[in-house]
Amino acid sequence: NAGVTQTPKFQVLKTGQSMTLQCAQDMNHNSMYWYRQDPGMGLRLIYYSASEGTTDKGEVPNGYNVSRLNKREFSLRLESAAPSQTSVYFCASSEYGGPPVYEQYFGPGTRLTVT
Amino acid sequence: AQSVTQPDIHITVSEGASLELRCNYSYGATPYLFWYVQSPGQGLQLLLKYFSGDTLVQGIKGFEAEFKRSQSSFNLRKPSVHWSDAAEYFCAVGSGGGADGLTFGKGTHLIIQP
Repeated sequence: NAGVTQTPKFQVLKTGQSMTLQCAQDMNHNSMYWYRQDPGMGLRLIYYSASEGTTDKGEVPNGYNVSRLNKREFSLRLESAAPSQTSVYFCASSEYGGPPVYEQYFGPGTRLTVT
Repeated sequence: AQSVTQPDIHITVSEGASLELRCNYSYGATPYLFWYVQSPGQGLQLLLKYFSGDTLVQGIKGFEAEFKRSQSSFNLRKPSVHWSDAAEYFCAVGSGGGADGLTFGKGTHLIIQP
């Protein structure tokens, strides 16, 4: 039982390049999330998927797209990377998409640098 | 909109001393509250959570937190810290809508002095 896995662990991009961050969970969770973590800012929600087949914007969605490929996998795509997207990206999942709010389980993160 | 404030950016505590990390939230209805810990270079691990019922909740690693509705607070405590507790601590609140993510505070960096 690996929990939440993310690939890659590290990535360096040039401005304007694109890439996809991959996330998978093996806990049969309904909901999945993408956050970014910047120094002094805590974690901010980029996009989430309450259940398979649905996605919604979070607090900071600009410059990103997501795909809920199936119940296990939720990818985050940067179409044209910018230096402002340099951050650590965390994927998370939780058991159920409705109240009460269940705790989220986090992956190890992807450290992305855009030069 | 919901929000979380962690007033202390850094806290330094001597090993063996007690610890209290502050968290204040803003949310109109019943909040769902969490404390997570992040060791350097790692993901986030859940310490404890509050959904309803008893306002004093116990978590892992000897941590506890008390929900005080009148003060909109959910402070984290530990009676005696260990050097391994040095980490970043995040308070988070979830809405009654359920699946639409958590709102995190900016974190408190805990330093343990020998």
